[in-house]
Amino acid sequence: NAGVMQNPRHLVRRRGQEARLRCSPVKGHSHVYWYRQLPEEGLKFMVYLQKENIIDESGMPKERFSAEFPKEGPSILRIQQVVRGDSAAYFCASSPKQSGGYTFGSGTRLTVV
Amino acid sequence: QKEVEQDPGPLSVPEGAIVSLNCTYSNSAFQYFMWYRQYSRKGPELLMYTYSSGNKEDGRFTAQVDKSSKYISLFIRDSQPSDSATYLCAMSAGNTNAGKSTFGDGTTLTVKP
Repeated sequence: NAGVMQNPRHLVRRRGQEARLRCSPVKGHSHVYWYRQLPEEGLKFMVYLQKENIIDESGMPKERFSAEFPKEGPSILRIQQVVRGDSAAYFCASSPKQSGGYTFGSGTRLTVV
Repeated sequence: QKEVEQDPGPLSVPEGAIVSLNCTYSNSAFQYFMWYRQYSRKGPELLMYTYSSGNKEDGRFTAQVDKSSKYISLFIRDSQPSDSATYLCAMSAGNTNAGKSTFGDGTTLTVKP
């Protein structure tokens, strides 16, 4: 059984470029979550999605960030016009139901130069 | 004040010791309580998942939840060097704020041979 697959593992972008992070959940999991982990800080919730729906985006910055989980294909977290403060590890997680524990991916480490 | 406060550590113990990791929380709506283990540069891994108050045991790990005190603990018996990692507590409210988990900032544990 494949776990949560995230790619790329490492992503370097110059200030002002776009970053696209991909996440394929565990097969059969319909709930996807994105979290951000800044250096020496805990995991901060960004967004919770089900297929074709954003359920809770209360943790998403109001500008430049967007997420989708289309009917077919992986979930995408998109960051437009990246700034140095966006440098962090972005983790995707999935679960078979909305409550309880998640399965996390290995993360995408975004570095903005 | 953060919704979830975790003893910051770091914690260093000799092999074989009993380890106690603790979190407090302020949101009385939390019903689901999780502990994750995160190795350096990896995604968090779900260790224990508990619903409501009580104890849950799994091998060398015991999770305790005291909702009246808003306090949760993870005990590790006969600790091993391979237990060296950062431990994250997490909580979710279930039906309200469905899906979203709030994490503590983590406690880094080192078990010395």
